[in-house]
Formats: sequence, structure tokens, C-alpha cells
Amino acid sequence: NAGVTQTPKFRVLKTGQSMTLLCAQDMNHEYMYWYRQDPGMGLRLIHYSVGEGTTAKGEVPDGYNVSRLKKQNFLLGLESAAPSQTSVYFCASSSRDRGGPTQYFGPGTRLLVL
Amino acid sequence: KQEVTQIPAALSVPEGENLVLNCSFTDSAIYNLQWFRQDPGKGLTSLLLIQSSQREQTSGRLNASLDKSSGRSTLYIAASQPGDSATYLCAVMSLPQGAQKLVFGQGTRLTINP
Repeated sequence: NAGVTQTPKFRVLKTGQSMTLLCAQDMNHEYMYWYRQDPGMGLRLIHYSVGEGTTAKGEVPDGYNVSRLKKQNFLLGLESAAPSQTSVYFCASSSRDRGGPTQYFGPGTRLLVL
Repeated sequence: KQEVTQIPAALSVPEGENLVLNCSFTDSAIYNLQWFRQDPGKGLTSLLLIQSSQREQTSGRLNASLDKSSGRSTLYIAASQPGDSATYLCAVMSLPQGAQKLVFGQGTRLTINP
């Protein structure tokens, strides 16, 4: 049982390049989330999904797109990377049970945009 | 809009001391509050979750309290150890909105000196 995994762990991009971050969970969770974490700041929600085929915007969605074609996977895309998107990206998942321990987090992806 | 603040941003104490980390939030209409631990270069690990109807939760040397009316939570760590060194984040979940969206504080970076 791997929990939440993220690919890649680290990536360097040039301004204008595109890339996709992959998140996978094996806990059969309905909800999945993408956050970014910048120095001195907490995690901020980019996009989230409440089920396969559905996505919604979070607090800081601009410059990102997401897709949830399979229940276990949640993809975060950067179409044209900008230096302001240099950050650590975390994926999380949770079950629909609101009384539970809420979100399980992946180890993060460090992205540097030059 | 919910805002979560953690004070202090950093704390350094000698081993064996008891310590308190603070978290405040602006909107008292929360569903629950959670404390996480984050080790350098790692994801987040849930420590304690307090439902809005609860006043406190305990796990080993950790005790978290919640005062919804004043918008405050504290995390008490007893008999601190060097292994407790990490960043501690609190996060609040507002009333159910179809997904378990969390709003995070900036975190407190804790260093326990041997």
C-alpha cells in the first residue's frame, strides 16, 4: 500500500515549457487535491476533484490545468511555465468520510522554472 | 474568506521543555481543525484532528485544544525531544462544501536542541 505517490520528485523547466505532474493514490479515495507551498507560506489549494471526471478551481488556479480521467490519478499541467510557478507541489487525497483523518499527502514535487 | 495564522514562525528550545504552538483563524464556522507535521523535503503527516464539537485531542505527548468562539487552537508538546524538530502546520476545514478543502497556516518551524 503506497498511499499517495507523485512523479517526478524534482524538475527544472525553462520559461514557456510545459509539463505534467502525476499524482496516484491506491486508497480508493474519492477526493484529490493539488497544493503549492512557497517559502514562508502554508499550502494553497490549486485545483481539486470530488470524483472521476470532475475538477474544480481552488484558491490559486491560474496557469494550471488538471484532469482526473481515472479515480486513482490526478494530473496537474503547466502549459507555459513561468518563474512564479517555482514551488513545491503537493498532491493529497481523502475519503468521503468527513469524520476521518482527512487528507493524505504525497512527498511533493520540487519545480524550478528558470 | 478564512485566514489562518500561526505564531511564532520559528521556535528553538532545549530538549525536555514543554512548549505551545499557536494557531488562530478568522472565521469560527469551521468543521474541524487539524495539526500536521512536515519534515524537511517531505510531505505532511497528520498529528491530531479536532472536530468542531470537541475541545481537545491527545496523542502521546501531544495535546491540541480548540476554542472555536475565539478562533484559536494550541498544540502542546510535552517533554520535547530532538526528533520533534519539524515544521508544524495547522489547517481548518470550513463547513462542508462538497469537498474537504483545507486552509493552512504558514507553519511554525520548531527546533529542539539536544
